Amino acid sequence: GIQVEQSPPDLILQEGANSTLRCNFSDSVNNLQWFHQNPWGQLINLFYIPSGTKQNGRLSATTVATERYSLLYISSSQTTDSGVYFCAVPTTDSWGKLQFGAGTQVVVTP
Amino acid sequence: KAGVTQTPRYLIKTRGQQVTLSCSPISGHRSVSWYQQTPGQGLQFLFEYFSETQRNKGNFPGRFSGRQFSNSRSEMNVSTLELGDSALYLCASSLDGEKLFFGSGTQLSVL
Repeated sequence: GIQVEQSPPDLILQEGANSTLRCNFSDSVNNLQWFHQNPWGQLINLFYIPSGTKQNGRLSATTVATERYSLLYISSSQTTDSGVYFCAVPTTDSWGKLQFGAGTQVVVTP
Repeated sequence: KAGVTQTPRYLIKTRGQQVTLSCSPISGHRSVSWYQQTPGQGLQFLFEYFSETQRNKGNFPGRFSGRQFSNSRSEMNVSTLELGDSALYLCASSLDGEKLFFGSGTQLSVL
């Protein structure tokens, strides 16, 4: 099946810093989703991004489907950005069956 | 519009018991998926339902089962609980196969 790798596994940032998270996938995909899991376990969908670039406030994401990777940018980080960031791609089976990466644990310090 | 609702939020069971978890999707969403999250294995797909039909099942033993009702609400059941079943169980709903929206999860502890 499709493999999803995220890097780095851990990231410690000072408030106000910028960062880039990477997601590589092993096969062609129709779309890719980025999620943020907060300390209470809630998974929030940040982006549904088949290709190109999308922006949502201080966050933006770029997917280069032909090269099988996606990047998530966090600008002017805040302590509320702490948590685990996951990327996920659909398997060939069905919509709801996503293959998740292992995640990037982000800690933003004041 | 209300989000995905999962109940209960926390559950403590003992080995050998069975448990039922509930998920109400976002209104209008007919696709419901279930995932298990553990520190060691990460997020793993359990099953997906669409219009009361199971469309896909992950690589879990038969002790894990689920169903979807005509109002799109879904339940999953785990029988003969084992210690290794301790996990966060997440439900997600989707409209037309695009963005997945997750509930807050049910934290299951098996003692």
